[in-house]
Amino acid sequence: GAVVSQHPSWVICKSGTSVKIECRSLDFQATTMFWYRQFPKQSLMLMATSNEGSKATYEQGVEKDKFLINHASLTLSTLTVTSAHPEDSSFYICSARDLSTDSYEQYFGPGTRLTVT
Amino acid sequence: QKEVEQNSGPLSVPEGAIASLNCTYSDRGSQSFFWYRQYSGKSPELIMSIYSNGDKEDGRFTAQLNKASQYVSLLIRDSQPSDSATYLCAVLGSSASKIIFGSGTRLSIRP
Repeated sequence: GAVVSQHPSWVICKSGTSVKIECRSLDFQATTMFWYRQFPKQSLMLMATSNEGSKATYEQGVEKDKFLINHASLTLSTLTVTSAHPEDSSFYICSARDLSTDSYEQYFGPGTRLTVT
Repeated sequence: QKEVEQNSGPLSVPEGAIASLNCTYSDRGSQSFFWYRQYSGKSPELIMSIYSNGDKEDGRFTAQLNKASQYVSLLIRDSQPSDSATYLCAVLGSSASKIIFGSGTRLSIRP
């Protein structure tokens, strides 16, 4: 149980284009999903908290107009990187909390490696 | 002071020995604590969660929590080369809105 998927697993795009990353909880419902970014040999950085049916909460320093988050259902959240630039190249990882438990455990998706050329 | 602190390592442990990973946190009201393992190039994987003071054992892993000292640890018995990874300590703050991750300890098990 508690499986989270992400799609695509990797993507290469040209500078100035937009990329959408999907995060799905496969066997549980998640009112809250989280988006992280991780640069090589660095720690996880929380970008935003995504709540089903409401606006995402962004961490300080994260541009909400650049990183668009939509949490349309209890099993799907999407992150769109708009007008991507080479400095946006990173490993993007989502995680989700299982609504049916009180444990606050977060389960991570396998991540999406974005390369902007 | 960082909210969740870990020694970055690398921590080198011989195969078969006990690896001891430590973590301190600053929010005294925290109630939930987690250990994640992250292999290079992969996403984190939850290996243990602990909520009460004391020890919690799961196979070769033991999590230890001391809320008075604001200290969490993870012991790995009979360390295997496959245990070589970065271990992330994570704490749910008193606001219960999000988990705060430490920067991780890199563990290397030498054959």
